[in-house]
Amino acid sequence: ETGVTQTPRHLVMGMTNKKSLKCEQHLGHNAMYWYKQSAKKPLELMFVYSLEERVENNSVPSRFSPECPNSSHLFLHLHTLQPEDSALYLCASSPRTDSYEQYFGPGTRLTVT
Amino acid sequence: AQSVTQLDSQVPVFEEAPVELRCNYSSSVSVYLFWYVQYPNQGLQLLLKYLSGSTLVKGINGFEAEFNKSQTSFHLRKPSVHISDTAEYFCAVSDRGGYQKVTFGTGTKLQVIP
Repeated sequence: ETGVTQTPRHLVMGMTNKKSLKCEQHLGHNAMYWYKQSAKKPLELMFVYSLEERVENNSVPSRFSPECPNSSHLFLHLHTLQPEDSALYLCASSPRTDSYEQYFGPGTRLTVT
Repeated sequence: AQSVTQLDSQVPVFEEAPVELRCNYSSSVSVYLFWYVQYPNQGLQLLLKYLSGSTLVKGINGFEAEFNKSQTSFHLRKPSVHISDTAEYFCAVSDRGGYQKVTFGTGTKLQVIP
């Protein structure tokens, strides 16, 4: 498989559930990103990892917990979410954090009920 | 701080007609500029980019954009659209500082009418 993949593609969870989103990149990149895409709002950068080290955390609530076990995999652990957290969550990667181009996965459509 | 403004949230256009999607940015430093396209149920795909040099940038699928520094604009154009161009288009800006951080616009939905 090539590019950036994300699983699951769709997720419905209750506010008391715990779930995880998974991202995998097959591009040999060293930087990975989580974005939140909500309707009528710009993409919001949530987290940035470089060589498995978190280098950016954009004031994201603690109910979102990222994990980067290696440079190819990125997880977003979710717990006690709110309905306003419903959105499309996009993963992206780039060769380095100072690379000008990012490669995006197809996203996970999350609905919190 | 940098910002991106896409004034048009939706642009309907007939098939084979030309289209222009507008993008304005603000930044206190020199920038890189990008257009991304998002087809339904897919992630963002880079359409074209301006890094330096010629202000007219050509991308994939027949799209082009022109960097206008005096007007701080980076409008996207295509002389003749196809049904398959129906998608959402995002303009983005990145400063040229050491740490890469891209700011995206709110997107413009292009609806091509047969």
